[in-house]
Amino acid sequence: DTAVSQTPKYLVTQMGNDKSIKCEQNLGHDTMYWYKQDSKKFLKIMFSYNNKELIINETVPNRFSPKSPDKAHLNLHINSLELGDSAVYFCASSQQTYGELFFGEGSRLTVL
Amino acid sequence: AQSVTQPDIHITVSEGASLELRCNYSYGATPYLFWYVQSPGQGLQLLLKYFSGDTLVQGIKGFEAEFKRSQSSFNLRKPSVHWSDAAEYFCAVGGRTGGGNKLTFGTGTQLKVEL
Repeated sequence: DTAVSQTPKYLVTQMGNDKSIKCEQNLGHDTMYWYKQDSKKFLKIMFSYNNKELIINETVPNRFSPKSPDKAHLNLHINSLELGDSAVYFCASSQQTYGELFFGEGSRLTVL
Repeated sequence: AQSVTQPDIHITVSEGASLELRCNYSYGATPYLFWYVQSPGQGLQLLLKYFSGDTLVQGIKGFEAEFKRSQSSFNLRKPSVHWSDAAEYFCAVGGRTGGGNKLTFGTGTQLKVEL
């Protein structure tokens, strides 16, 4: 039973389109995150939610909009996709607002 | 600002040899330190963590790491590497701050294992 699951795993789309990535965790954690991993494998935090409340919002274009309908789900919607958005997006969760993260398997987004 | 440096981008070792991956961090308060492993096409799996207490921590798959505050280091070690250990390894630092859990990751070290 997957702890942190993301869909889709692969996403190929054209520039200018809008796309969403969904994440669900069944660990009972209160905090969820989106991280972006670029082509050089560098991981950077984008957003974090604690109990549906946004607590971290890094310098990310406002084309990226996270949404947490409940504490087990955190979705990422991206408007007007650009070439530079191509990356692997990882969802993660943690029991509290500190400590180790549990990661999903990632969603590879390719913008053509 | 917190940061992590992993000075070795690539490391190649022979199967059965010992391994040490270096990690130096910068953090303004008591750090929480982590090592994660990422196999190709996979997510990140936690190998071990340090919050407090014994500075030598044991993790999964036979890995250990030692926290040295004076050197701001948290190096990962394994006495005998297996071919299945080939992967990307990430060191990360975070802490208990009011601003949420901003784990900062290093740029990773890619480990290759020669048979």
